[in-house]
Amino acid sequence: EAQVTQNPRYLITVTGKKLTVTCSQNMNHEYMSWYRQDPGLGLRQIYYSMNVEVTDKGDVPEGYKVSRKEKRNFPLILESPSPNQTSLYFCASGTGTAPNQPQHFGDGTRLSIL
Amino acid sequence: SQQGEEDPQALSIQEGENATMNCSYKTSINNLQWYRQNSGRGLVHLILIRSNEREKHSGRLRVTLDTSKKSSSLLITASRAADTASYFCATTGANSKLTFGKGITLSVRP
Repeated sequence: EAQVTQNPRYLITVTGKKLTVTCSQNMNHEYMSWYRQDPGLGLRQIYYSMNVEVTDKGDVPEGYKVSRKEKRNFPLILESPSPNQTSLYFCASGTGTAPNQPQHFGDGTRLSIL
Repeated sequence: SQQGEEDPQALSIQEGENATMNCSYKTSINNLQWYRQNSGRGLVHLILIRSNEREKHSGRLRVTLDTSKKSSSLLITASRAADTASYFCATTGANSKLTFGKGITLSVRP
């Protein structure tokens, strides 16, 4: 089954404790992206990747890092999480090297930073 | 930056009625997509319409695009309780970034 898998689905942690949210897709997609969803603000793009070893900033990249060492994986790293990063995070993937195609989304990771 | 803006923010209808949702955007686009999000789940792609297309159908969904007015509409015909969800429009412009609106909450009453 074609899917985007995120882990963990839920995480409560404390300020400053480094964390990684993993994202994996089994569709051989070149394009992958991370979004955060906040009430009243909709979805905002954090980082995206057009292909292996190619990453670029989205609209709200501050406080986040990503890497794309393999095609299927695109982890999101919070080196020193802060309460304003409490949010619902989504990973997505798509065909082609540009987001002009439909994207497949994971089921989300709800992060709470205390 | 937020490109698409949906209207209304919330819509409540009776099962069997049609639901119409609108999306307006500010700059020229390559395409416009509509997504659905059920509570607690990820977004699911519904339909994509390119800038040179005016109308597209998929099952009970009909999407129109008016580039002169920079607007799109999503029509769901004969709505069902299972259509209850949030709906988002998303645009791709010259910078190739996919930008989402804030979403419309649709409630379909049985």
